[in-house]
Amino acid sequence: EVQLVESGGGLVQPGGSLRLSCTASGFTFSDYAMSWVRQAPGKGLEWVSGIRGSGAGTYYADSVKGRFTISRGNSKNTLFLQMNSLRAEDTAVYYCAKAGSGWYQWYVDLWGRGTLVTVSS
Amino acid sequence: EIVLTQSPGTLSLSPGERATLSCRASQSVSSSYLAWYLQKPGQAPRLLMYGASSRATGIPDRFSGSGSGTDFTLTISRLEPEDFAVYYCQQYVNSPYTFGQGTKLEIK
Repeated sequence: EVQLVESGGGLVQPGGSLRLSCTASGFTFSDYAMSWVRQAPGKGLEWVSGIRGSGAGTYYADSVKGRFTISRGNSKNTLFLQMNSLRAEDTAVYYCAKAGSGWYQWYVDLWGRGTLVTVSS
Repeated sequence: EIVLTQSPGTLSLSPGERATLSCRASQSVSSSYLAWYLQKPGQAPRLLMYGASSRATGIPDRFSGSGSGTDFTLTISRLEPEDFAVYYCQQYVNSPYTFGQGTKLEIK
């Protein structure tokens, strides 16, 4: 079955760190760019970060640049998001997202169910 | 950063009616690198359209997309009960690959 399963969310204090993971199955993971997209409670979607299939290119929203790091382990079909210096405004459901086919196709054709990150003291 | 503005914010229609949703970009989205998604409460979003006018796998033909440059439209020809949800557009021509703020399609 083609799916993405996120893990690693939880409650963290402001200034703290958290590492999200996403395990992919049912497709050749290394062939596709991957992204993280988040959704604050009651709000819309926000693209957070993306990484090329080879891992060579990484991209970030301005709101997380310098604090978050995206990476991937193609041998284990896993995507990561290391989140440091967390703020209350980072509270959201974080979705793992698979990009479409092709070098420029950064739309999302497969979504995980999401993992909730809550930043609060 | 490309800013996407969706209108209207809320659209109230009845099943069987036609829905027209708009997405306007702050600068040209070249090669029509624009996608549309649907999200129901408590669920992850789902891809509807990519390349402005190509339907994703399994999406019925009552959904159609059009537009180029800075103005894009999602049309639902005859609303079914399952179509009432929140719709988002996304541009993927330049990082960051921004989303619009969403249009809520509600039952009148």
